[in-house]
Amino acid sequence: NAGVTQTPKFRVLKTGQSMTLLCAQDMNHEYMYWYRQDPGMGLRLIHYSVGEGTTAKGEVPDGYNVSRLKKQNFLLGLESAAPSQTSVYFCASSYQGAGTDTQYFGPGTRLTVL
Amino acid sequence: ELKVEQNPLFLSMQEGKNYTIYCNYSTTSDRLYWYRQDPGKSLESLFVLLSNGAVKQEGRLMASLDTKARLSTLHITAAVHDLSATYFCAPNSGGSNYKLTFGKGTLLTVNP
Repeated sequence: NAGVTQTPKFRVLKTGQSMTLLCAQDMNHEYMYWYRQDPGMGLRLIHYSVGEGTTAKGEVPDGYNVSRLKKQNFLLGLESAAPSQTSVYFCASSYQGAGTDTQYFGPGTRLTVL
Repeated sequence: ELKVEQNPLFLSMQEGKNYTIYCNYSTTSDRLYWYRQDPGKSLESLFVLLSNGAVKQEGRLMASLDTKARLSTLHITAAVHDLSATYFCAPNSGGSNYKLTFGKGTLLTVNP
């Protein structure tokens, strides 16, 4: 089991460029999440999905879009990157209905927008 | 909107000492998670606390939950260097059991 994987691990963008971050999980989890982590801010939820084909906004959704076309994948898109989106992005997944619903995190993607 | 406050945000302690990290949250929550993050790494789940009065222990760490006081604590006993990390508490929010709100984290440094 690979758990939760993220690609790429690092990326540098110029302002205005676009990119997609890929999250994949092999645990058959229904729920998937995208967070961003900034120094001194903890983790903030960007978007999440409660199942294949569904997405919902989290705490800080502006400037991001997501898609969940397959149960195992959750994509985070930046259409026009801004320096304020420089951050570490974490994907997580959880299995609803298991009772504890622990979220399992991927290794993170460090994004710098110049 | 659920607000989460962790205290302290920075903690430097000597090996062998005891200390407690506090996590206060503003609205009703029926479960709370503690996570650990090593520098440059991902988050690792430590504990999930599911009910009022719940207590979980693993090694030198013990977590408790008081839902009436909206307070969780993470107690460190006889700290060792390997416990140096950032610790986050995360209660669930809005009555859901999957949306979490994270505290800002407590950076723990254990010195020899």
